[in-house]
Parts: sequence; structure tokens; C-alpha cells
Amino acid sequence: QVTLKESGPVLVKPTETLTLTCTVSGFSLSDSRVGVTWIRRPPGKALEWLAHILSSDAKSYSTSLKSRLTISKDTSRSQVVLTLTDMDPVDTGTYYCARVRMGFRDMDVWGPGTTVAVAS
Amino acid sequence: QSVLTQTPSASGTPGQRVTISCSGSTSNIGRNFVSWYQYLPGTAPQLLISRNSHRPSGIPDRFSASTSGTSASLAISGLRSEDEAEYYCAAWDDSLSGPVFGGGTKLTVL
Repeated sequence: QVTLKESGPVLVKPTETLTLTCTVSGFSLSDSRVGVTWIRRPPGKALEWLAHILSSDAKSYSTSLKSRLTISKDTSRSQVVLTLTDMDPVDTGTYYCARVRMGFRDMDVWGPGTTVAVAS
Repeated sequence: QSVLTQTPSASGTPGQRVTISCSGSTSNIGRNFVSWYQYLPGTAPQLLISRNSHRPSGIPDRFSASTSGTSASLAISGLRSEDEAEYYCAAWDDSLSGPVFGGGTKLTVL
């Protein structure tokens, strides 16, 4: 069974760096057929793609957040880590990681999400 | 502002058929598969439609979808109260090397 689970802080202060971890099971991060992507949903707003990482370690980022985002993976620990620097209250929302089937370019399994609030 | 354009809201009564549209461009819908997701606040989005029109295992055949050029649509027939949710279209964007989403359509079952 394929599962993903996000973990990280519930509350961060403005200007701090957010670090989120996605722990996967049921598939390998070295499988070339899949990748892992991060998506967020601010309260009352639409889903927004953040970053993506492939088995080859190729990475891609949202154009608007590229300067603040870093994605990495630890294949041996089955974890994908996302960092977002200089947090602002507008970054408040639910953050999801999802598995991407590269052949279909779809996100077939999602984690339950982790909610992050940015406040002083 | 989302890259793909969706009508913000839609509604229907139980048993009706509703259609949700999604408009993109040649760098996304025009050359890549479209997928659709059902989102209930507080839960994880669920893949409803893959590869433009394919339903994953477990998705009722009341859900169907199609694409044409740079547009896509999702149809829900035999509307049920449990279909009340937000629906998002998505497609890979070649210029971003990542997925782009629509702004979401909130479906209300009257």
C-alpha cells in the first residue's frame, strides 16, 4: 500500500524557515516512474504547486516561490524534505505531498496534509 | 491567480448532471494529460480522473471527463449529496516542469 505522510511544525513565526518532511512507504524514491511533489492550499484559496523532485534528483520549483524553496530527498530514509524560507502569514495553509506518476503526469496518492500557521 | 481557469462555482439538484470546465494553454492542457481531483476541506485531494478521461479503481462511472484542444471538462451525472466538494483540474506544464492547477470549482448540491 502506497502512503505518504507530512510532518513539520504547526506554527512558525514570520521570517522563520519552514521545514516539512514527507515520509513515503509502499514505493521507492529511486523508482524512475514516480516523483514526489509538494502542494499547498491556503485557507479559502486554490491548490498551489510548490516543488517537485524526481528519482534522478532533478528538481523543479514554482516560479513565484523559487527563490524561497528547496526540495531534497533521502532515498534510504524514504523522505522528501521541503524548506520554505522567510515565512509570511500568507504562507499559512495546509501543505500536502503527493506521488506523481510521471508517465501519466498525475498525482495518484496524497498525504493527509499538515497545517501550518504563520504568526508571531 | 491560477494558471488553469475554472468557473468558481456550480450547482445542481440530486440526480442532475453537472459539467465543470477547465481552460488552459498549449504548454499545459494542449500537450499534456489532464487530471481531476475532488477536494473536501480537511481531507486530502483525491484523484478522480487520470489521463484526460480514465477513472482510477473505485471511482464511480458517474464521473467522466474529456479534453479538446486547450480545454477540458468534468461531468458528474446522477448527482448525489456526497458529491458536494471542490473540484480541481490539473495538467503538467512544460514551461514549469511541474503541474499547474485550476482555481477550483465549488460544487453545491441543492
